[in-house]
Amino acid sequence: KNQVEQSPQSLIILEGKNCTLQCNYTVSPFSNLRWYKQDTGRGPVSLTIMTFSENTKSNGRYTATLDADTKQSSLHITASQLSDSASYICVVRLNNAGNMLTFGGGTRLMVKP
Amino acid sequence: NAGVTQTPKFQVLKTGQSMTLQCAQDMNHNSMYWYRQDPGMGLRLIYYSASEGTTDKGEVPNGYNVSRLNKREFSLRLESAAPSQTSVYFCASSETVRPQHFGDGTRLSIL
Repeated sequence: KNQVEQSPQSLIILEGKNCTLQCNYTVSPFSNLRWYKQDTGRGPVSLTIMTFSENTKSNGRYTATLDADTKQSSLHITASQLSDSASYICVVRLNNAGNMLTFGGGTRLMVKP
Repeated sequence: NAGVTQTPKFQVLKTGQSMTLQCAQDMNHNSMYWYRQDPGMGLRLIYYSASEGTTDKGEVPNGYNVSRLNKREFSLRLESAAPSQTSVYFCASSETVRPQHFGDGTRLSIL
């Protein structure tokens, strides 16, 4: 069964610190991997999207990495801010299913002052 | 910049009641989707519409129906609500394989 597993489930860090969120997937055939940010009470918003051939992609203080061989991705947040408090969702798209996506359960990040 | 608009934002129903969740997008996207999000679980696809005039079942379609009214609007109907359908419902739209844009959800409680 196609699955996307994220760790940790939740994380608390101090403002200004860095953190790394993990995503492992068993989705096959793989097309691309996306990271979404979901603020409390809001819908998910796309942060990055990476295809099979891309190892890393940045969006401001967010840097996503992808190892398609080990089927692992990470999202690194640099110099965290209070506004980074949110859930971060890893999403994988199958290569043969239009825009059908498999969602991870998310990592809930809390940044404290 | 409205993007994807969902109504209502909150709703409480009694078991057996029916209701329709509304979704509209103003980005001229061909594809639209309905998901449900439950605590500790990833979003699960209920139904999707790849283009105007077409709809297909997703992962968890039982108990739901959809209508793609036109290119802008995609509604989700619960004919006879059950407590297991208590969830947060998200509508999304996209252009083919581009990232999906999500609305802010409808929080539905069924007593």
